[in-house]
Amino acid sequence: NAGVTQTPKFRILKIGQSMTLQCAQDMNHNYMYWYRQDPGMGLKLIYYSVGAGITDKGEVPNGYNVSRSTTEDFPLRLELAAPSQTSVYFCASTADRGMRSNQPQHFGDGTRLSIL
Amino acid sequence: AQTVTQSQPEMSVQEAETVTLSCTYDTSESNYYLFWYKQPPSRQMILVIRQEAYKQQNATENRFSVNFQKAAKSFSLKISDSQLGDTAMYFCAFIPARGSNYKLTFGKGTLLTVNP
Repeated sequence: NAGVTQTPKFRILKIGQSMTLQCAQDMNHNYMYWYRQDPGMGLKLIYYSVGAGITDKGEVPNGYNVSRSTTEDFPLRLELAAPSQTSVYFCASTADRGMRSNQPQHFGDGTRLSIL
Repeated sequence: AQTVTQSQPEMSVQEAETVTLSCTYDTSESNYYLFWYKQPPSRQMILVIRQEAYKQQNATENRFSVNFQKAAKSFSLKISDSQLGDTAMYFCAFIPARGSNYKLTFGKGTLLTVNP
């Protein structure tokens, strides 16, 4: 049972480069989320999705894009990497009613991204 | 908008003793969910305990329990018989119970160290 899988685990980018952080879940969850965690801070929501084809902005969406073409995958794209995007990125998923559900909430192991 | 405040950036406790982590929140919602998450050095986000605001009874999960004071908007976590494996960052989080807002709001976290 894989749960939520994030790739890559670590990445170093140069300023201005682009990349896609991958997130996949095999639990048929409708709700998926992308968070970033800066040093000494809690998680801040970047984007979320309530189902295939539906995405919405969180607290800190600038500089990122997402898509949700399938239930399983929710990739996060950085188009022009900036030093301010150096962070640890977490993907999460849950079943009915999003994080309000009594179903378990699953987080991936995170992607540590450095922009130099 | 909701805010979650954890006023203790760091705490330490001796193994087998009891420790309480504080969390306060601000919201105009009447019904909501509150969570405590644990993030060990491995960086995984693990749900520790959940409380529904309309339930007066405090939630308990083995050695973990909460003191939920709705009027005071306080949600503290008590860890009994602390173990070395409890060493981690602990995050308090909030989500409204209804509507189309599926966003978790996190506090900045408390780093708990359990000493042998």
